Formats: sequence, structure tokens, C-alpha cells
Amino acid sequence: AQSVTQLDSHVSVSEGTPVLLRCNYSSSYSPSLFWYVQHPNKGLQLLLKYTSAATLVKGINGFEAEFKKSETSFHLTKPSAHMSDAAEYFCVVSPLLNAGKSTFGDGTTLTVKP
Amino acid sequence: KAGVTQTPRYLIKTRGQQVTLSCSPISGHRSVSWYQQTPGQGLQFLFEYFSETQRNKGNFPGRFSGRQFSNSRSEMNVSTLELGDSALYLCASSLQTVTGYTEAFFGQGTRLTVV
Repeated sequence: AQSVTQLDSHVSVSEGTPVLLRCNYSSSYSPSLFWYVQHPNKGLQLLLKYTSAATLVKGINGFEAEFKKSETSFHLTKPSAHMSDAAEYFCVVSPLLNAGKSTFGDGTTLTVKP
Repeated sequence: KAGVTQTPRYLIKTRGQQVTLSCSPISGHRSVSWYQQTPGQGLQFLFEYFSETQRNKGNFPGRFSGRQFSNSRSEMNVSTLELGDSALYLCASSLQTVTGYTEAFFGQGTRLTVV
């Protein structure tokens, strides 16, 4: 069984300030973890993924996430927010060998203020 | 390399009708998954097909069905449409590797409105 909890439904930051989107997961096996971003009326785009290699994962657009097994967390961060980062973000967990059984978090809406 | 293509992008149907949505995965990807996205329920897994066989299934009624063809293209069918079926339907494909599967690559989705 697996589940994922995104701890904040909405996060608001000012442009140029750091971003932190929090995600906790539960899995009975070694998971793969992903962050996806969805802009309005668009599909989901992969930001980054963790698949049991390095625990600090760097993704596109300056985002990174750290896998912490002891805390069952996979928080997404970015040092400096840009207006174009405003979107909905999804944390996803899936079995290591089966991306087809992914479980999505409820999403976090990121607002970036000028 | 072409991405995941979903057609149509937008669809309006009447209650009681049935609808078929299509998804063409990335070339070489044999796993295709379908998701329903609504404001109230978020992203929910419908089913996954691999090599023309349904491998995983979510908790949706039997009105929701799918199939996959030998070229990996997939269709999803919803019969006897209800207002609550209005949603963005997303298709994702992934590639099997020697160590497992790649991440899912998503299409733009089909926005279904039931009136």
C-alpha cells in the first residue's frame, strides 16, 4: 500500500524568495517519488524524480528535492521563486518497478506575488 | 520525439450518452495509464494497460472501461454519462527498462463536460 500527503494546499511567496512545498509519503516497499507541475489547462510535467539513487535530486527550472527516509518526506524547494512558477504541484509515489500504479497527492497551489 | 497525444482536447456530452477518448503514447512506451482529475477529488487513477492487457485498476464503476491496441494506443470509454463524470481525463505513458519503469509522461488531457 502507498499514500502521499501534501501538507499545504496553498503556498504563497513573493518573487525572489525561497519556495518550500512539503510532501510526506507512506509505502510498504522502496518507492519511486516524483514531483510534477501543472499549469492551468495543461497536462502534468515532470519536475524531478527519486528512484533510489542520490537522495538530493535536482530537477528542471531550479527545483530540487531531498528524499529523507527517516522522516518519510520528499519536500520540494527552490531558492528563488519566479512568477512563472505559479502553478499546481503534485507529489507522486509509485512502486519502484511500476510507474503505472502511481498515487498522487492532493496538490499544492503555488502563488507568486510580484 | 512526439509526446503523449490525447484526442479530442475538449468534449461536451449529454447525460446518458457514452464517450470514447483516445491516447497515443510516446513511441516505444507500452504502459498507458488513465487518470481522472476533478476539483473535488483531485487526480484519481482509473486503470493501466500494458501490452494490450489491463494490469492495474482503480476504484471506478464498470461504466469506465478501456482497451489498448497492438500499437500501444489506448482508448477509454465511459458509458451512461453522469454529470459527475465532468473532468479532465489524463493519459500517461511510461517505458519499461531493464531496472523497472521510467516516470510517467502525461498528455494535455481531454476536458469532458457532461450537461
